[in-house]
Amino acid sequence: QVQLQESGPGLVKPSGTLSLTCAVSGGSISGGYWWSWVRQPPGKELDWIGEIYHSGSTNYNPSLTSRVTISVEKSKNQFSLKLTSLTAADTAVYYCARARATVDKFFDYWGRGTLVTVSS
Amino acid sequence: DIQMTQSPSSLSASVGDRVAITCRASQTISTYLSWYQQKPGKAPQVLIYDASSLQSGVPSRFSGSGSGTHFTLTISSLQPEDFATYYCQQSYSTFLTFGQGTRLEIK
Repeated sequence: QVQLQESGPGLVKPSGTLSLTCAVSGGSISGGYWWSWVRQPPGKELDWIGEIYHSGSTNYNPSLTSRVTISVEKSKNQFSLKLTSLTAADTAVYYCARARATVDKFFDYWGRGTLVTVSS
Repeated sequence: DIQMTQSPSSLSASVGDRVAITCRASQTISTYLSWYQQKPGKAPQVLIYDASSLQSGVPSRFSGSGSGTHFTLTISSLQPEDFATYYCQQSYSTFLTFGQGTRLEIK
């Protein structure tokens, strides 16, 4: 059974940088999947941040592309998110997820999510 | 980017009811459409992918239909555990987008 677990600070300061890691267990990150970050502000809808393939290829949400970097560490079977220039609008539950592509690309495994609050 | 619009935004129904939730795309997305269920404090779980394929382990009372710009998630007979928020998601574009959600509440 594939499991994903997010880790990182729960409180970050405005203008600072958020760094989160997603540890993957029960399967290899080098399989034929894309690995994504999705966030959800309190009481709001899901917002896709971006994704990475084990080769290092990435795709990002155009509204975040100037602030976001997603990287992969195959030796540790994990991938990471960095988001810079934080504001209160970045306060959200951050999920990591595995995307499987058949005809369409959908998320079949998710982490439990981690709440990140941007506040001084 | 491709906008996904769900209707209704909220819905009240009773156990045993048949309900349908609609998702419209701002441009054609073929069948690149998935549906998720999310309960409070939990991560979303996929129900339907490729517009109409049932994810393994999901009860058969859930079904999906549609193609192009108009899609429907149907629950044939509501069970108590089905009261949750539902989201659609398109992957026709590299920029993945979700609908705003439909909250299904007990009447």
